[in-house]
Amino acid sequence: QKEVEQNSGPLSVPEGAIASLNCTYSDRGSQSFFWYRQYSGKSPELIMFIYSNGDKEDGRFTAQLNKASQYVSLLIRDSQPSDSATYLCAVSSNQGGKLIFGQGTELSVKP
Amino acid sequence: GAVVSQHPSRVICKSGTSVKIECRSLDFQATTMFWYRQFPKQSLMLMATSNEGSKATYEQGVEKDKFLINHASLTLSTLTVTSAHPEDSSFYICSAGGTSGIQETQYFGPGTRLLVL
Repeated sequence: QKEVEQNSGPLSVPEGAIASLNCTYSDRGSQSFFWYRQYSGKSPELIMFIYSNGDKEDGRFTAQLNKASQYVSLLIRDSQPSDSATYLCAVSSNQGGKLIFGQGTELSVKP
Repeated sequence: GAVVSQHPSRVICKSGTSVKIECRSLDFQATTMFWYRQFPKQSLMLMATSNEGSKATYEQGVEKDKFLINHASLTLSTLTVTSAHPEDSSFYICSAGGTSGIQETQYFGPGTRLLVL
């Protein structure tokens, strides 16, 4: 079992819809969770992080964390074609700031 | 804040030569920097963790004699690909450990695309 799992996609949503990206992790002791966005040919950029159970909102993005279920998600409201990218879920390890990445979910927002 | 730069952004070299890639944290001090490699259509692969003033910690399967890492200061880490071969062609990305509020996270540089002929 991989430590951080994501559906590779592609996930296709129409413009204006809500895109829902999901991630599960295996280490119950994980404390912090991150979502990165990576455009094709570019390096990842941090969207947001979450470390408490529940929801955290930042603009059109909402991260949701459920530690009991070992599940973290990212919702993108009012999806735009510019949101088309690969979204990487990352989980902190207990090894000096090291992050464990999922394989990423490719999102395509169709105009 | 939390800007990380990499140089060069792109490099083409002949097989057998060595290539040095620099990673700098521009507006914060990074005790720890990370080096990743990414092949087309694949996920990030962590190569090594670089700590200022000490030896890097390499991930399993990464040759430490081939990928030399030096973290000379709190704002600079370098990766040298020695005796590069075509199979080393890849996208090399560094990240620097920083703090956003109270949360430690990683901020990525823009990456270096290496092509070995």
